[in-house]
Amino acid sequence: GAVVSQHPSRVICKSGTSVKIECRSLDFQATTMFWYRQFPKQSLMLMATSNEGSKATYEQGVEKDKFLINHASLTLSTLTVTSAHPEDSSFYICSASTLTGANVLTFGAGSRLTVL
Amino acid sequence: DAKTTQPTSMDCAEGRAANLPCNHSTISGNEYVYWYRQIHSQGPQYIIHGLKNNETNEMASLIITEDRKSSTLILPHATLRDTAVYYCIVRVARGHNQGGKLIFGQGTELSVKP
Repeated sequence: GAVVSQHPSRVICKSGTSVKIECRSLDFQATTMFWYRQFPKQSLMLMATSNEGSKATYEQGVEKDKFLINHASLTLSTLTVTSAHPEDSSFYICSASTLTGANVLTFGAGSRLTVL
Repeated sequence: DAKTTQPTSMDCAEGRAANLPCNHSTISGNEYVYWYRQIHSQGPQYIIHGLKNNETNEMASLIITEDRKSSTLILPHATLRDTAVYYCIVRVARGHNQGGKLIFGQGTELSVKP
């Protein structure tokens, strides 16, 4: 079945640095990927829709200059948290839609970011 | 996309059927009901989806009422590994190149107990 891989699974960084998270569709092509963020004890919050070859579409309240998304190929989307601060510490999850089938989203295992 | 209402939490005994309800009274005729679950500290996992007919797969059964205003996800023989947050989502099915986004509510936290 469809597999989405995220890397790294855990990352710790210092405040002010930037962190890049990769999301890969391993056995299918994904023209569209979605990035979510989840704080402890809360539900997933959609951050943005990543479109291959074009600019990402950000949800209301999500800073596009803070969370840079690049979808350069049909199998890779990256999320870069720029100038990270402790409040950016969260669980970041990507998902992708397969080109065929029932419009089911396949999710990655998530990346836990801790900003010190 | 239509809004859904789910109980915050439920308990189920191991080996028994877990019946998770979802209300979606404002669902439109072209909206599907999707169920996902999220085990602690993992990404969500697709379970099942349906439009108006009942559906069954290797993981679960989905029962949709005739008026489509509510549905029930049934895990026939719950195990401890089924402990997770279960999300019911209603949305229009996009074309295969449109990849519709999913908006998650709070879900139901299911605890399967020995």
